[in-house]
Amino acid sequence: QVQLVESGGGVVQPGRSLRLSCAASGFTFSSYGMHWVRQAPGKGLEWVAVIWYDGSNKYYADSVKGRFTISRDNSKNTLYLQMNSLRAEDTAVYYCARVDEAAAALAIGVWGQGTTVTVSS
Amino acid sequence: QSVLTQPPSVSAAPGQKVTISCSGSSSNIGNNYVSWYQQLPGTAPKLLIYDNNKRPSGIPDRFSGSKSGTSATLGITGLQTGDEADYYCGTWDSSLSALVFGGGTKLTVL
Repeated sequence: QVQLVESGGGVVQPGRSLRLSCAASGFTFSSYGMHWVRQAPGKGLEWVAVIWYDGSNKYYADSVKGRFTISRDNSKNTLYLQMNSLRAEDTAVYYCARVDEAAAALAIGVWGQGTTVTVSS
Repeated sequence: QSVLTQPPSVSAAPGQKVTISCSGSSSNIGNNYVSWYQQLPGTAPKLLIYDNNKRPSGIPDRFSGSKSGTSATLGITGLQTGDEADYYCGTWDSSLSALVFGGGTKLTVL
């Protein structure tokens, strides 16, 4: 079945870096655009970044632009999020998500279970 | 502040109907399709409605979506206690080149 499994979360000090990974299975990973979406404790959903199926286009939320980098390795069916210069406000559950195959406007059809990132000294 | 505006909470009795609004602008809802997501407590979100009014396989027809101008609406009929969740609208914003979400609406089934 279609599955997205995030890893790499943890506790990190402000200013440090962390790389999240998302292992995809059950579908042709190289055919789908992929998102990262985060959710701070007790807050709503915040979109982070999207990458086209072939990596040709990438877009970022203003809150992470210049600090985070989304990338993918289609040979490994894996999505990444490199997070640098982390701040306390980056503390959140980070979801890996797949663009829905039938929907427009880059709607999300599949979500991972999330990985928690805590930025604290 | 979220780009899309939703009411923080709505409530209704079991069996009743509720609607959740989502207001945006011409750069997002006005010119792009809207999707809706349901997030049950402690779980990842799930796609409920896409392309304004289409339901993915497995989503009951108690859930419906509509769009008019720069606003969208999610409707839920025959409310069940299991529908208690947070609901989010979302769409692509062409000016921001970003996926945008509403702030979320907490549904309470009394």
